Amino acid sequence: DAGVTQSPTHLIKTRGQQVTLRCSPKSGHDTVSWYQQALGQGPQFIFQYYEEEERQRGNFPDRFSGHQFPNYSSELNVNALLLGDSALYLCASSSSLRSYEQYFGPGTRLTVT
Amino acid sequence: KQEVTQIPAALSVPEGENLVLNCSFTDSAIYNLQWFRQDPGKGLTSLLLIQSSQREQTSGRLNASLDKSSGRSTLYIAASQPGDSATYLCAGPDTGFQKLVFGTGTRLLVSP
Repeated sequence: DAGVTQSPTHLIKTRGQQVTLRCSPKSGHDTVSWYQQALGQGPQFIFQYYEEEERQRGNFPDRFSGHQFPNYSSELNVNALLLGDSALYLCASSSSLRSYEQYFGPGTRLTVT
Repeated sequence: KQEVTQIPAALSVPEGENLVLNCSFTDSAIYNLQWFRQDPGKGLTSLLLIQSSQREQTSGRLNASLDKSSGRSTLYIAASQPGDSATYLCAGPDTGFQKLVFGTGTRLLVSP
């Protein structure tokens, strides 16, 4: 049983560019959450998707947007990249019946230069 | 709004020692708390999930406790090994929400 997968593993972008990160949830899970983890910090909640809609959103600007597909996989898009967007982006999946029990993927390391 | 704090920020111990990591939270209505392990540059591995109806959860050499009245959880690691070296994070659900709120973690180094 494959766990949560994310792609790409690493990414280097220039300020002002746009980036798309991808996540496939654990088998049987229908809810996907995205977190941003800056160096030395705990993960910060970006948003959560369920039934292809954004269900909750953290304190992140509109430059951060997402999408969930019918197969429950998800994308995180960040526009107009800033240096401060450099971080590890973590995807977590869960069942809507136990949404607090989240399983995390390996993350995508984004570096903005 | 849930806030989570972890002390100490870093801990260095010799192999074989028993140790305790601490986690504090502000909303005592918390209905569960989760402990994670994170290796450098990697994702999070769930270690233990404690429901509010439980006081402890055990997995191998790990034991986690939850005391809602005091707003504290502890992770006890018995007979530490160099392979236990990692950052340990605790997280609880935000009040009324399903997102997780994390502490900043305790960076553990176990020396041979």
